[in-house]
Amino acid sequence: GAVVSQHPSWVICKSGTSVKIECRSLDFQATTMFWYRQFPKQSLMLMATSNEGSKATYEQGVEKDKFLINHASLTLSTLTVTSAHPEDSSFYICSARGSASEETQYFGPGTRLLVL
Amino acid sequence: QQQVKQSPQSLIVQKGGISIINCAYENTAFDYFPWYQQFPGKGPALLIAIRPDVSEKKEGRFTISFNKSAKQFSLHIMDSQPGDSATYFCAARYQAGTALIFGKGTTLSVSS
Repeated sequence: GAVVSQHPSWVICKSGTSVKIECRSLDFQATTMFWYRQFPKQSLMLMATSNEGSKATYEQGVEKDKFLINHASLTLSTLTVTSAHPEDSSFYICSARGSASEETQYFGPGTRLLVL
Repeated sequence: QQQVKQSPQSLIVQKGGISIINCAYENTAFDYFPWYQQFPGKGPALLIAIRPDVSEKKEGRFTISFNKSAKQFSLHIMDSQPGDSATYFCAARYQAGTALIFGKGTTLSVSS
């Protein structure tokens, strides 16, 4: 099956710094990538949808200037958490979909972010 | 407003038993209903999915039952095993290309 990777798998940073998380589709071209955030024992909450070469579409309540998403190629999307604060500590998961007609979303393994 | 309601929140089943997780939705425009399994610290993995024109789909020990008129669908895990202990999420999508909307999840524990 299709594989999606994320890097890093976990990161600890100081408050006020920026963190970049990469999401790659390893064996398929992802026309669309999604970014989710998951707090402990909670569901996945969609943050944004990004299509290759276009600006990301953010969900209501998600600060686009704080969570910068770039989808520069068909295999790579990045999420940058700018000026991170302790409340941004969470599990960030990306998912990718191939062609527009494809139903399945393939999820990455997630990135655990801890902001001190 | 929660678009996909999932129950129960947690479930304990004996080894060999049947695990049943239920989901309900409101938006009749939803056209794709997958179930994902997630282990702690890992990303969700697709288990099985169904479209609303089918009432049941079975893959190995996993079966989705779909009731379009009641706007409900459920996951049945037959012969539940300790290795099935995980969190299960139902989801729905209302059109091709859009993101999945997840239920709140069910933590399944299968006792040996």
